[in-house]
Amino acid sequence: EPEVTQTPSHQVTQMGQEVILRCVPISNHLYFYWYRQILGQKVEFLVSFYNNEISEKSEIFDDQFSVERPDGSNFTLKIRSTKLEDSAMYFCASSSDRKPQETQYFGPGTRLLVL
Amino acid sequence: RKEVEQDPGPFNVPEGATVAFNCTYSNSASQSFFWYRQDCRKEPKLLMSVYSSGNEDGRFTAQLNRASQYISLLIRDSKLSDSATYLCVVTVYSSASKIIFGSGTRLSIRP
Repeated sequence: EPEVTQTPSHQVTQMGQEVILRCVPISNHLYFYWYRQILGQKVEFLVSFYNNEISEKSEIFDDQFSVERPDGSNFTLKIRSTKLEDSAMYFCASSSDRKPQETQYFGPGTRLLVL
Repeated sequence: RKEVEQDPGPFNVPEGATVAFNCTYSNSASQSFFWYRQDCRKEPKLLMSVYSSGNEDGRFTAQLNRASQYISLLIRDSKLSDSATYLCVVTVYSSASKIIFGSGTRLSIRP
């Protein structure tokens, strides 16, 4: 069964450093998403991406965040200057359509720890 | 008012019991509804979509009440493997589907 993959599984970084989280969505999917989940809290939408541009973003997704699809397979989330409060699990998801009833498939997540 | 609200639990029930979770949502423009389950430190996984007519998948039954903005999940004959956090998920569609997660209800099944 096709699945979304994410690397690395864990990332530890110093405050102020840049991190890039990588995702490989399911191959025939066209819509891509990033979510985060702070430990003990709910999953929060960050951004959706289609046709090489951002479709929608939340208030969390400020100028410190950016997304890119550098090639035909990878989808990345960059945090320019990490803060302590960026420590969270980051999930990538993809779907074949943007219809609201379309299932989004989640990757296993990258656990980011900012020290 | 939270966009999607769930009782956090935990619900601690014996194996074989029937358990029900509820979820309310605030945005009347919400269009699609799902239940996901999330195991500890894992990604959310789709359990089932929720349709207006109600739907059933094996031991799981989901109901939607648009008038009351209310979704439910019923688990019959619960198994130890059902222990997880159950996430109520609502989609609002504008330029893209924006998924809004509830905080989840923790379920623990005891032998």
